[in-house]
Amino acid sequence: GQQLNQSPQSMFIQEGEDVSMNCTSSSIFNTWLWYKQDPGEGPVLLIALYKAGELTSNGRLTAQFGITRKDSFLNISASIPSDVGIYFCAGRNAGGTSYGKLTFGQGTILTVHP
Amino acid sequence: SQTIHQWPATLVQPVGSPLSLECTVEGTSNPNLYWYRQAAGRGLQLLFYSVGIGQISSEVPQNLSASRPQDRQFILSSKKLLLSDSGFYLCAWSHQTDTQYFGPGTRLTVL
Repeated sequence: GQQLNQSPQSMFIQEGEDVSMNCTSSSIFNTWLWYKQDPGEGPVLLIALYKAGELTSNGRLTAQFGITRKDSFLNISASIPSDVGIYFCAGRNAGGTSYGKLTFGQGTILTVHP
Repeated sequence: SQTIHQWPATLVQPVGSPLSLECTVEGTSNPNLYWYRQAAGRGLQLLFYSVGIGQISSEVPQNLSASRPQDRQFILSSKKLLLSDSGFYLCAWSHQTDTQYFGPGTRLTVL
């Protein structure tokens, strides 16, 4: 089955530093999504990418859909304490299904020290 | 705008007891609905999905079942809980192949 490798598994950074995380897939995806999950809450969508090579920003967040369609990265600039949480990538290969099943990475736990 | 609700927010149940978790979506019609389980704050495992009333697909064999009695209602059940059923259960909705949006989750502890 499809697998997503997300790295790093965890990051400990100082406030103000930039952050970069990425996901690679064993197969081609048509969509890449990035979610953030705060403790005890459901994941919240940060950025959605629908086209190979697409670069999209949302405030201090920037994500790119890799040209090969097998990878994506998320950058966070000038981190702040509220950036703490678990970041998940997710990919979807429409592949003829009618419900758009997502494959999730294992998550990157981000800790920001003030 | 669309909203998704889950209840209860937390639940502590003894081994062998039944389970019923509910998820409802507002502000949309005919959504695709999903149940995920998250263990130890990492990794989302898809348990069930539904593309319409009464239509349930299971992704992994397990001690749980799902039902969709109404268009915007999705229920996760078990007849007899196991210790391994503990976890954080998330419901999500989407429009067909569109982005999935998650509910607030239910924390289940089986003792």
